Amino acid sequence: SQQGEEDPQALSIQEGENATMNCSYKTSINNLQWYRQNSGRGLVHLILIRSNEREKHSGRLRVTLDTSKKSSSLLITASRAADTASYFCATDARQGGKLIFGQGTELSVKP
Amino acid sequence: NAGVTQTPKFQVLKTGQSMTLQCAQDMNHEYMSWYRQDPGMGLRLIHYSVGAGITDQGEVPNGYNVSRSTTEDFPLRLLSAAPSQTSVYFCASSYGTGIREQYFGPGTRLTVT
Repeated sequence: SQQGEEDPQALSIQEGENATMNCSYKTSINNLQWYRQNSGRGLVHLILIRSNEREKHSGRLRVTLDTSKKSSSLLITASRAADTASYFCATDARQGGKLIFGQGTELSVKP
Repeated sequence: NAGVTQTPKFQVLKTGQSMTLQCAQDMNHEYMSWYRQDPGMGLRLIHYSVGAGITDQGEVPNGYNVSRSTTEDFPLRLLSAAPSQTSVYFCASSYGTGIREQYFGPGTRLTVT
């Protein structure tokens, strides 16, 4: 079964609002990553957070990691229509070189 | 740099046929991997490689073979195509042998009839 699970599966907001997506995983990890996928395209890396980090920022993105709850969240502030995409978390479990993806959150930002 | 390239972009196969999906990267990345993406299933890891001559199985390896004879290339072979292998296939690579930022190719859309 997949390591990461995103919540919600779909999210629809207005431009300018904040979008929060959550990811839960099952086993201990080395790091957790977030990716974006525009329709019909390959995935693009957004941010990587290591297991010893609690929060990381990149532009309008804020990622938190709670290893005690085995969960992470991705916050996109002041969303734009161009942020419309699917967002995936991916985890690198401690036991081996596999990067396992969750099922993704489909974000729709309406202008 | 071209990054990660995949060929073909689209392919239609009949059940039982075999074919090879090509993946190449020009960034001298050690780590390469293959994923398949199905609606509602996210991405599932098929096989991965931490360097030339080294491959290992992912979550869904059955029906697929890989080899890594060079750092640049990581082809994925479908031995006897089945309708269940209809999917979009993505190749990815990253620097080093550990798990870091992955660079994805544009994908190959495969239909097996």
